[in-house]
Amino acid sequence: NAGVTQTPKFRILKIGQSMTLQCTQDMNHNYMYWYRQDPGMGLKLIYYSVGAGITDKGEVPNGYNVSRSTTEDFPLRLELAAPSQTSVYFCASSQPGLAIYNEQFFGPGTRLTVL
Amino acid sequence: QQQVKQSPQSLIVQKGGISIINCAYENTAFDYFPWYQQFPGKGPALLIAIRPDVSEKKEGRFTISFNKSAKQFSLHIMDSQPGDSATYFCAATSNAGKSTFGDGTTLTVKP
Repeated sequence: NAGVTQTPKFRILKIGQSMTLQCTQDMNHNYMYWYRQDPGMGLKLIYYSVGAGITDKGEVPNGYNVSRSTTEDFPLRLELAAPSQTSVYFCASSQPGLAIYNEQFFGPGTRLTVL
Repeated sequence: QQQVKQSPQSLIVQKGGISIINCAYENTAFDYFPWYQQFPGKGPALLIAIRPDVSEKKEGRFTISFNKSAKQFSLHIMDSQPGDSATYFCAATSNAGKSTFGDGTTLTVKP
């Protein structure tokens, strides 16, 4: 199993551009999450999904959109990129009720810089 | 509103010493309290976790101490090694699957 994969690994955007961060998991997990990690600020939840076709906002959803058309994929869309969106983005998945501690499995991250 | 507060922000320990990281939570509706370990350039990975009906959990050199009445829990790393140098996140997780993370502690173990 590859686990959770994310593409791209790095990206530089200009202000106002848009892009999609890709996330795929092969563990058949129903739950998927997008976090952003800023230095010294921990992980902040952007959006999450409890299954295909179901998404909900987290703590910091402004400026982002998501979709979940399949169990495996959970892309994150940035529209009109702003310098405040410079961060490292992590996708994660879990299957509550399956793992003992509802463990989340994280991808390797996407480092995004908006100039 | 931050529901999980973690301290210290950074920690330097000599090889063989004990590393201690503390967390406090506010909401009582959490079901699991995991610690994640993150190496530079990687995603976080589960290190050890505890349920609130247990006061201590030990796995090798890593121990979680949990105080339900004080709403506090801590990670103790015994005989710290340079390979333990990483960022550690505490978290509080609900049965519904959502986790709230602390801000992280960067641990440096000096040889």
